[in-house]
Amino acid sequence: ETGVTQSPTHLIKTRGQQVTLRCSSQSGHNTVSWYQQALGQGPQFIFQYYREEENGRGNFPPRFSGLQFPNYSSELNVNALELDDSALYLCASSSRTGGNEQFFGPGTRLTVL
Amino acid sequence: QQQVKQSPQSLIVQKGGISIINCAYENTAFDYFPWYQQFPGKGPALLIAIRPDVSEKKEGRFTISFNKSAKQFSLHIMDSQPGDSATYFCAAENSGSARQLTFGSGTQLTVLP
Repeated sequence: ETGVTQSPTHLIKTRGQQVTLRCSSQSGHNTVSWYQQALGQGPQFIFQYYREEENGRGNFPPRFSGLQFPNYSSELNVNALELDDSALYLCASSSRTGGNEQFFGPGTRLTVL
Repeated sequence: QQQVKQSPQSLIVQKGGISIINCAYENTAFDYFPWYQQFPGKGPALLIAIRPDVSEKKEGRFTISFNKSAKQFSLHIMDSQPGDSATYFCAAENSGSARQLTFGSGTQLTVLP
C-alpha cells in the first residue's frame, strides 16, 4: 500500500508568482485535504476535496484554489504569492467510507522571496 | 469558537519518565480528537485518537484521557524514550461537516537519555 506522496519537496518562488503543488492520496482514499503549516505552528486547514469538488474551506483567500482528479490525486494552486505564504504545505488523505483518520504526506516546503 | 489550546509549548523529560500534554477546546460539536506526532522535515503522523463517548484510550505507551464536561483532553506518554522526542499536536474535528482538523499549537517534547 502506497502512502500519501507530495511533490515537489521544496520550492522557491518570488512574490507575485504562482505555484502548483501536487498530492497523490493513499490507496483506497477518496478525500484529500490541504493544510498550511507556518514555522513553529500547527497546521491550518485550507480546503478539502471529495468527488472532484471542494467540500469545505478554511479561512484562506480565493487565490488559494485546488483541483481533484478522477484518480483522487489533487493540486493546490496559489496565485499572487505573498511573503506570508512561506510555509510547509501538507496534504492529507482519508476515506469517506472509513474512519475519521487522515494520513498526511511529507509536505512541500514553499519559500517566497 | 474553533480554537484548540495546547500546553505546554515545550517539555523536557528524563528517559523513563511520563510526558503529559494538555489540550482544551470550546466547540462542543467536535467529536473526534486525534494526536499527531511530527518529526523535523516530516508530515504529522497519527498517533492515537479518541471519541467523546469514552474517557480514556490506551495504545501501548500512549494514553489519551478525555474530560467531556471540562472540554479537555490530554496525552500521556509512559516510559518516555529519546526516540519520542518530536513535536506533538492535538487536534479536533466535527465529523458532521467537512473533515476539517483544527490543530493545537504544538508541544516540542525532548526526552533526555
